[in-house]
Amino acid sequence: EVQLVESGGGLVQPGGSLRLSCAASGFTFSDHYMDWVRQAPGKGLEWVGRTRNKASSYTTEYAASVKGRFTISRDDSKNSLYLQMDSLKTEDTAVYYCARGSIVGSAFYFDYWGQGTLVTVSS
Amino acid sequence: AIQMTQSPSSLSTSVGDRVTITCRASQGIRNELSWYQQKPGKAPKLLIYAASTLQSGVPSRFSGSGTGTDFTLTISSLQPEDFATYYCLQDYNYPLTFGQGTKVEIK
Repeated sequence: EVQLVESGGGLVQPGGSLRLSCAASGFTFSDHYMDWVRQAPGKGLEWVGRTRNKASSYTTEYAASVKGRFTISRDDSKNSLYLQMDSLKTEDTAVYYCARGSIVGSAFYFDYWGQGTLVTVSS
Repeated sequence: AIQMTQSPSSLSTSVGDRVTITCRASQGIRNELSWYQQKPGKAPKLLIYAASTLQSGVPSRFSGSGTGTDFTLTISSLQPEDFATYYCLQDYNYPLTFGQGTKVEIK
């Protein structure tokens, strides 16, 4: 059974840092792109960024709103995905989801999601 | 960034009704679009990918169509468990962008 379990959320002051983790199980983690998606309270979904798989050299992509402040990494030996969040702003307050990316032909989709972890940026 | 515009933003409907949600991209995205269902307090769930391919395990009352800039998610006969918010997502280029969501409510 595929499982994605996020952890590391909490309350942090503006300007602070936080590191989220996503523990994966039930599939070959190294084969997949992995993404972070967030959802501010009462709002819609916002893509945060991606780490590609080993075959694609673990390259990363980021939304403009987090580029230069957030860093996505992964440790395939631990089946884990990370989101290092620095210089946090109040507008980063959201539930953060990790999501597994799958590719069939040219089609990409998020077929599994974690349960989410809440990050609150407030003084 | 490609903008994804969903309509309507919300709709009130009844069990058994046919529901159609549209998603329009600000530029052509071929068929690189997926649809997700989200219930309150839960993670999104994949329904459709590649604009029209039904994800395994998703009921056949859900269907998707479209290519280029205009896409549709249809629920042929709404069931009680289908009351939720629906999002489209384009993965044609970066940044990936979601529609703003369509909330399907009970009339």
